[in-house]
Amino acid sequence: ETGVTQSPTHLIKTRGQQVTLRCSSQSGHNTVSWYQQALGQGPQFIFQYYREEENGRGNFPPRFSGLQFPNYSSELNVNALELDDSALYLCASTPMTRNTEAFFGQGTRLTVV
Amino acid sequence: QQQVKQSPQSLIVQKGGISIINCAYENTAFDYFPWYQQFPGKGPALLIAIRPDVSEKKEGRFTISFNKSAKQFSLHIMDSQPGDSATYFCAASKADSWGKLQFGAGTQVVVTP
Repeated sequence: ETGVTQSPTHLIKTRGQQVTLRCSSQSGHNTVSWYQQALGQGPQFIFQYYREEENGRGNFPPRFSGLQFPNYSSELNVNALELDDSALYLCASTPMTRNTEAFFGQGTRLTVV
Repeated sequence: QQQVKQSPQSLIVQKGGISIINCAYENTAFDYFPWYQQFPGKGPALLIAIRPDVSEKKEGRFTISFNKSAKQFSLHIMDSQPGDSATYFCAASKADSWGKLQFGAGTQVVVTP
């Protein structure tokens, strides 16, 4: 089961810039979580949104922020980009009826130069 | 700190052989343990998952073994095929986490013909 789409697929930004990544989850999935996956590592939980409110946050600074919209789509915003922000950013949605399962999109590869 | 530890980092197995990946967790509040498969350039895909009320779960060629007292669980891939070559991640989450997962560091599996 998938149907989670992310855009763009690739992005190159300069250090200090701001970036917005987008995620569209499928019908019936009301919770969205964002993860950062550095090269060769497992995904790290950034934060989660439920009913347009932040519902938990990992060990990431406030310059990482997000939004969830009434149609359950979501955005991840990162301000003041640093070189270490270069990673694959993954969006995962969770169905209303199965509250532990997470289904991932293909990710956005962000490169900060 | 890393709450889910995964080993080995990589393994090579011949076609038809058995791939075994091990994970250990620390937080006894975890009660959902999924395995994800990730191909290069793709997001993780849910493969199989287990809860601590059972010691084993099998789906096709994939089996999870779970040892609650040792706080360990493992993935066995039987009759490994070249198409199984991918990176595998174990993960863990608490009840009603709605997709807040703690991931292991991943195991790169290469199945040789």
